[in-house]
Amino acid sequence: NAGVTQTPKFRILKIGQSMTLQCTQDMNHNYMYWYRQDPGMGLKLIYYSVGAGITDKGEVPNGYNVSRSTTEDFPLRLELAAPSQTSVYFCASSLVRTGELFFGEGSRLTVL
Amino acid sequence: QQQVKQSPQSLIVQKGGISIINCAYENTAFDYFPWYQQFPGKGPALLIAIRPDVSEKKEGRFTISFNKSAKQFSLHIMDSQPGDSATYFCAANQGSSNTGKLIFGQGTTLQVKP
Repeated sequence: NAGVTQTPKFRILKIGQSMTLQCTQDMNHNYMYWYRQDPGMGLKLIYYSVGAGITDKGEVPNGYNVSRSTTEDFPLRLELAAPSQTSVYFCASSLVRTGELFFGEGSRLTVL
Repeated sequence: QQQVKQSPQSLIVQKGGISIINCAYENTAFDYFPWYQQFPGKGPALLIAIRPDVSEKKEGRFTISFNKSAKQFSLHIMDSQPGDSATYFCAANQGSSNTGKLIFGQGTTLQVKP
């Protein structure tokens, strides 16, 4: 099993550009999440989804959008990239609300 | 608003020593407290977790101690090994929200010296 797969692993954007971080999982998990990780700040929840067609905001949703058209995929869209969005982004999934999240390996984004 | 506070930010321990990481929370509705371990270049992975109806949980060299009245919990790594060198995150889950969302602490970078 591949688990949670994120692409790309690295990306450099210019201010104002847009892009989509891809996330797919093959564990048939209902719940999916996007977190960002900044040094000394832990992980902050951006958006989450409890099933296909259902998404909701987390702690830091501004500047991001998500969609969940299938159980497997949960892409994160960055519109009008800003330097404050320079971070490492992690996608995660879980079968039920147990707190056991399975994370991807992350996508490192730099906005210059 | 930071709901889970973790300390220390970094920790250096000699091989064979005990590593202790502490976390404090504010929301009494939290009912699930996992610890995640993250190696460089990888995503976090669940290490051990506890619910507030028990005061301690042990899995191998890893132990969680939980103090509900003080709203604190800690991770103890016994006989620390160089392979334990990683970043550790405590977290909390508000089960009644039915979404599985985790609130993470700031993280502790552990270095175990040979």
